[in-house]
Amino acid sequence: DAGVTQSPTHLIKTRGQQVTLRCSPKSGHDTVSWYQQALGQGPQFIFQYYEEEERQRGNFPDRFSGHQFPNYSSELNVNALLLGDSALYLCASSPGAHYGYTFGSGTRLTVV
Amino acid sequence: KQEVTQIPAALSVPEGENLVLNCSFTDSAIYNLQWFRQDPGKGLTSLLLIQSSQREQTSGRLNASLDKSSGRSTLYIAASQPGDSATYLCAVKETSGSRLTFGEGTQLTVNP
Repeated sequence: DAGVTQSPTHLIKTRGQQVTLRCSPKSGHDTVSWYQQALGQGPQFIFQYYEEEERQRGNFPDRFSGHQFPNYSSELNVNALLLGDSALYLCASSPGAHYGYTFGSGTRLTVV
Repeated sequence: KQEVTQIPAALSVPEGENLVLNCSFTDSAIYNLQWFRQDPGKGLTSLLLIQSSQREQTSGRLNASLDKSSGRSTLYIAASQPGDSATYLCAVKETSGSRLTFGEGTQLTVNP
């Protein structure tokens, strides 16, 4: 049984560019969350999607947007990249809002 | 605003030692608490999930306890092994939402 799958694993972008990260949740999971983890810090909540709607959002600017598809997979889009957006982006899925979360291996984004 | 603190930030022990990692949170209105393990540059692996109504959970050599009223959780690792070397993160989910709030982690090194 595949867990949470994220692509790509690594990405290098230039300041001002746009990036799209992808996540396929674990089978049977319908809720997808995205987190940003800077080096040496704990993950920070970006937003959560359920039934193709953004259910909750963390303290991130509008440059960060997302989408959930009917098959529960999700995308994270970041526009106008800044050097400070360099981080590990983690996707997590769960079978409901109040269950435990399963995390993917992450996408390492480097902005130069 | 929920804040999660983990003490110590780093810990180095000889192989075979029993050890305790600490996690504290400021708002006791939580739904559950989850302990994760993270290897360098990798995603998060869930270790234990404790619901707010539970006092502890056990999995193999790991035991996690929860005292919701005092805002504390501990992760006990018995007979530590070099393979246990990783960063351990605790995260709480509040009753008011679906986000996880993480601590900054404890970096554990088990020396052979």
